[in-house]
Amino acid sequence: DGGITQSPKYLFRKEGQNVTLSCEQNLNHDAMYWYRQDPGQGLRLIYYSQIVNDFQKGDIAEGYSVSREKKESFPLTVTSAQKNPTAFYLCASTLEGNSYEQYFGPGTRLTVT
Amino acid sequence: GNSVTQMEGPVTLSEEAFLTINCTYTATGYPSLFWYVQYPGEGLQLLLKATKADDKGSNKGFEATYRKETTSFHLEKGSVQVSDSAVYFCALKIYNQGGKLIFGQGTELSVKP
Repeated sequence: DGGITQSPKYLFRKEGQNVTLSCEQNLNHDAMYWYRQDPGQGLRLIYYSQIVNDFQKGDIAEGYSVSREKKESFPLTVTSAQKNPTAFYLCASTLEGNSYEQYFGPGTRLTVT
Repeated sequence: GNSVTQMEGPVTLSEEAFLTINCTYTATGYPSLFWYVQYPGEGLQLLLKATKADDKGSNKGFEATYRKETTSFHLEKGSVQVSDSAVYFCALKIYNQGGKLIFGQGTELSVKP
């Protein structure tokens, strides 16, 4: 079955540690995205990548980093510079084009204490 | 700029009641419009979409019509079920802007038996 996998589902870290969230897709999609969701708020775009070895900052990129070395994979690193890292992180992917839908992974809930 | 505004929740309805969730948008370009649904602890699933003015998206008894004159994309369902309880997100995507989605803040729907 094709889809997007995110692991782990729950992640706990101590303040000051970097942590990397995994996102893998086998849909042969060109573009991949990372969103952050906070309680009672919509999703906010962190980074996106339209093609391998290229990515762009979204609206809230500060304190995060990404890489896109393979088409299938788009890992997100939450660095110690991110002031409020505790959130639900969602990865998505899509074929290129205006009207194609974005497919979302199940999300990773990160808690930093 | 581009933005999406949804009616605030939570919305609580009895089973078989009529549902409307309002969504209005502002866009500098010509957007495609989407409704996504999120069940507790999960990622987002596309519910329906519309890519041009006067298009009606529909799925699972839900409908929404792209109204350019009122910049709206209200979600409706004639008879809700307990299983429709979820958070609903309205979103837009502007052509040639990297496929990014801009989300409203979400509206939580709770349907009681």
